[in-house]
Amino acid sequence: GNSVTQMEGPVTLSEEAFLTINCTYTATGYPSLFWYVQYPGEGLQLLLKATKADDKGSNKGFEATYRKETTSFHLEKGSVQVSDSAVYFCALSEGAGNNRKLIWGLGTSLAVNP
Amino acid sequence: EAGVAQSPRYKIIEKRQSVAFWCNPISGHATLYWYQQILGQGPKLLIQFQNNGVVDDSQLPKDRFSAERLKGVDSTLKIQPAKLEDSAVYLCASSLEGRSGYTFGSGTRLTVV
Repeated sequence: GNSVTQMEGPVTLSEEAFLTINCTYTATGYPSLFWYVQYPGEGLQLLLKATKADDKGSNKGFEATYRKETTSFHLEKGSVQVSDSAVYFCALSEGAGNNRKLIWGLGTSLAVNP
Repeated sequence: EAGVAQSPRYKIIEKRQSVAFWCNPISGHATLYWYQQILGQGPKLLIQFQNNGVVDDSQLPKDRFSAERLKGVDSTLKIQPAKLEDSAVYLCASSLEGRSGYTFGSGTRLTVV
């Protein structure tokens, strides 16, 4: 079946460092891909998405490109801030019509130190 | 637009007690999801509704969990009786169309003691 694999955390960076969180997927067809962020004590928020190959999703300085050839959707940010400390989840949307649902990675915890 | 509303925000109960959670999705979102998120893990889908019909409840422990979405708008999730391993955050999400992403509520943190 479809699956999502994320790099294991925790990831610890200093402020202004470059961030990469790897995400690869296994899927039949052409799923949509998402990154969600969960700040401490809060629910999940959609960070960015891409719906087809070569699409680049971006938001709040984060970017991820849908790479069909490598089945990847790596999350990047050029300069992280302390406020970016959170857990990041990669997910894909499978199924069609009313049966569409999300398949989740296990999450990657990011801690940014001042 | 208003987000997905959930209540209560926190709940502490003893094992074998009952508990209910409420969710009001974004207006017009036909699809509603309940997820269970155990600390340190990703969300696990419990049940998916399309309007007031169940699309997927394959991972819902039906001996103790139940959910309904009367009138196809808000929804309740119930646990009866609760077990210690039910301690988790229960997240509700809704979507207009799946490819565009889902909007999550803030969740209900349940602690069973």
